[in-house]
Amino acid sequence: QKEVEQNSGPLSVPEGAIASLNCTYSDRVSQSFFWYRQYSGKSPELIMSIYSNGDKEDGRFTAQLNKASQYVSLLIRDSQPSDSATYLCAVNWINKFYFGSGTKLNVKP
Amino acid sequence: DTAVSQTPKYLVTQMGNDKSIKCEQNLGHDTMYWYKQDSKKFLKIMFSYNNKELIINETVPNRFSPKSPDKAHLNLHINSLELGDSAVYFCASSPRGANGYTFGSGTRLTVV
Repeated sequence: QKEVEQNSGPLSVPEGAIASLNCTYSDRVSQSFFWYRQYSGKSPELIMSIYSNGDKEDGRFTAQLNKASQYVSLLIRDSQPSDSATYLCAVNWINKFYFGSGTKLNVKP
Repeated sequence: DTAVSQTPKYLVTQMGNDKSIKCEQNLGHDTMYWYKQDSKKFLKIMFSYNNKELIINETVPNRFSPKSPDKAHLNLHINSLELGDSAVYFCASSPRGANGYTFGSGTRLTVV
């Protein structure tokens, strides 16, 4: 059984703070990892992908991957109210994506 | 120019009816998917087609039947709708190599 787990939240952070979102997965064979953002009533949109251990930065977003610990995280620096959404972690096993249930992030002005 | 478009956006229907949801992508992607998102936001894969061929068929009731007339289209037909089928259904596509999906806007199905 492939599992992707996230804390459902809500995670509340003040505007300008760093939001840290975490995800664990059950299978060591997985090769690629993704973070999606989903606004209420909208479809998920891809914001980050990461394939190798370490950090990957894109603007205010940093994805961190630790395959030994089966852990992937997303850091959002200088959080803005517009970042308030549900963040979905996805793990790719043999061209099949498994999603976590998402962490709801609230950024308070 | 919507990349992945689904119709209809909303669908309200009675139990026992048969309904279809259509999906089209203009990205030139090889692979298309149907996902179901329940009320707890959990996205679960249902089907995947690669260039018109079915490659993933998860444990889904056989009341659900996908059809791909060409690699740009993947439709979902549902027979004998049940209350538990109420959810948001997302179509998605990805290029070869599965470097992340592009999702359609979703179809909110409500069975009453």
